[in-house]
Amino acid sequence: QVQLVESGGGVVQPGKSLRLSCAASGFTFSGYGFHWVRQAPGKGLEWLAFMSYDGSNKYYTDSVKGRFTISRDNSKNTLYLQMNTLRAADTAVYYCARDHGEAFDPWGQGTLVTVSS
Amino acid sequence: EIVLTQSPGTLSLSPGEKATLSCRASQTVSSNYLAWYQQKPGQAPRLLIFGASSRATGIPDRFSGSGSETDFTLTISRLEPEDFVVYYCQQYGGSPITFGQGTRLEIK
Repeated sequence: QVQLVESGGGVVQPGKSLRLSCAASGFTFSGYGFHWVRQAPGKGLEWLAFMSYDGSNKYYTDSVKGRFTISRDNSKNTLYLQMNTLRAADTAVYYCARDHGEAFDPWGQGTLVTVSS
Repeated sequence: EIVLTQSPGTLSLSPGEKATLSCRASQTVSSNYLAWYQQKPGQAPRLLIFGASSRATGIPDRFSGSGSETDFTLTISRLEPEDFVVYYCQQYGGSPITFGQGTRLEIK
């Protein structure tokens, strides 16, 4: 079945870096674009970044532009989010989601990133 | 940036009743690229409606979406106990992609 599984979250100090992974299975990974979305504790959803199926197009929300980098390895069926210079405000559950063309479907289960000293 | 405002913030109803959730956009959502998601506690969001009114695969027909331009509605015709969770709207037509702040459906 179609599945996305995020990993790489954890506790990290402010100013440090972390790389999240999103492993895909059950479909042709190279045929789809993907998004990263985060949700701070008790808060709503915030779209962060998008990468097209072949990696040729990337888009970011302003709050992470220059600090976060989305990438993918089609040979490993994996999407990544490199997060640098992390701040307390980046504490959230991070989700990857497949681009549906008009929405996001499906989503992974999420991975928690906590930025704290 | 297109700002989506959902109302009400919390909706108190009983099982079997009809729920009407609103999502208003600060500017026209192009091509009706408006989606609705359901999020249960501790779980990822699940796509319910895309293109303003198309049900996603496997979504019960008690869920329906309507609206255009700046005003959109999610209707749940007969509430089941598992429907009392949080719902988000999302616009996909403008950059950046944005979400509403959510509506919590609670049991009255």
